[in-house]
Amino acid sequence: TQLLEQSPQFLSIQEGENLTVYCNSSSVFSSLQWYRQEPGEGPVLLVTVVTGGEVKKLKRLTFQFGDARKDSSLHITAAQPGDTGLYLCAGVILPHKYIFGTGTRLKVLA
Amino acid sequence: NAGVTQTPKFQVLKTGQSMTLQCAQDMNHNSMYWYRQDPGMGLRLIYYSASEGTTDKGEVPNGYNVSRLNKREFSLRLESAAPSQTSVYFCASSEETGFYGYTFGSGTRLTVV
Repeated sequence: TQLLEQSPQFLSIQEGENLTVYCNSSSVFSSLQWYRQEPGEGPVLLVTVVTGGEVKKLKRLTFQFGDARKDSSLHITAAQPGDTGLYLCAGVILPHKYIFGTGTRLKVLA
Repeated sequence: NAGVTQTPKFQVLKTGQSMTLQCAQDMNHNSMYWYRQDPGMGLRLIYYSASEGTTDKGEVPNGYNVSRLNKREFSLRLESAAPSQTSVYFCASSEETGFYGYTFGSGTRLTVV
């Protein structure tokens, strides 16, 4: 099974702190998505990055796609309890074929 | 706007029993997918349907069958359930190839005893 390596696996931080989650692979992706999943629910798409070096912002979340399109990062500024969840990255290698990361479980304490 | 709807939400089966997981989407997407999610294994593709009338195997198809009933509906069948099929199952849909991402359903938690 091909997997994207995500780090860290677990992260527990205080409200207001900043954090970065990493997603690394040896494969080149045509696009890469980030999802957030809450307990008992399916993953919800946050962003898609396509171009090497691309940076996208979604409120306090900043997503970056590596220049070689093999890695990505998610940075959260001033984390809030509502950011708690499982963050998954997923890279597209072929039409209809993704590689999913194993996830980063984030807990933000009030 | 419902998105992707899965039923049932929870199911317990005995080994050897059969069941069908239902999935329907209302976004007029061409492509639909079935994934399973297991701790430490990430999401793994079971089967997908690129368009109405076509289905293809994913990474872990053994023990499963699928039917693309029409553009909206894509079902997953377990003919003879095994404990190894205990998992959370997600249906998803996408425009065309999934390049820009999926919309997932809320999942079915299946336990096989």
